[in-house]
Amino acid sequence: NAGVTQTPKFRVLKTGQSMTLLCAQDMNHEYMYWYRQDPGMGLRLIHYSVGEGTTAKGEVPDGYNVSRLKKQNFLLGLESAAPSQTSVYFCASSYPRTGSATNYGYTFGSGTRLTVV
Amino acid sequence: GNSVTQMEGPVTLSEEAFLTINCTYTATGYPSLFWYVQYPGEGLQLLLKATKADDKGSNKGFEATYRKETTSFHLEKGSVQVSDSAVYFCALTGTGYSTLTFGKGTMLLVSP
Repeated sequence: NAGVTQTPKFRVLKTGQSMTLLCAQDMNHEYMYWYRQDPGMGLRLIHYSVGEGTTAKGEVPDGYNVSRLKKQNFLLGLESAAPSQTSVYFCASSYPRTGSATNYGYTFGSGTRLTVV
Repeated sequence: GNSVTQMEGPVTLSEEAFLTINCTYTATGYPSLFWYVQYPGEGLQLLLKATKADDKGSNKGFEATYRKETTSFHLEKGSVQVSDSAVYFCALTGTGYSTLTFGKGTMLLVSP
């Protein structure tokens, strides 16, 4: 029962370097999300996807790009890392919310801790 | 837009004490409300939810009632355990949306 798997779990980058965070889910969920978690800020939505080949901006999209080439995968890219992007990144997935959302809820990965120096 | 306000922590309790973590929200229409829990070093897990006014969500001894008149969804537990120590997030999804808006989280520390 893998659920949502994020790789890598930890990474240290130098300012200006690029990297890609991978999220994979095996629950056949339509929707996938990338959040960042910072102390005192809670979780803030970076980008999300409502289906294969689609992406949309969230609350804090600047400096990030995403791709959803396959339904089960959602990639988050940092083209030129900055110290302000030091954070813990969480991926989540869900079914679409319909009606009363009785069965609606997110499944989260265990996070990627990224430090940009 | 939608927003969630939680009480600031940390909340420090002794084992078997009563817990309340306050959560109020701002949203248009009829949002669904959630509590998520994050244990140290882990991702968030859904604790409970309520999808319409006056619904009570419950799980593992935790409860929260959707109060539309006060726009609140306070989390309660009658007797906390050390194993309940975690960060608790209140969240909502607005009518017609699937993205969750989270509060800033409240850390709970329970001592033996």
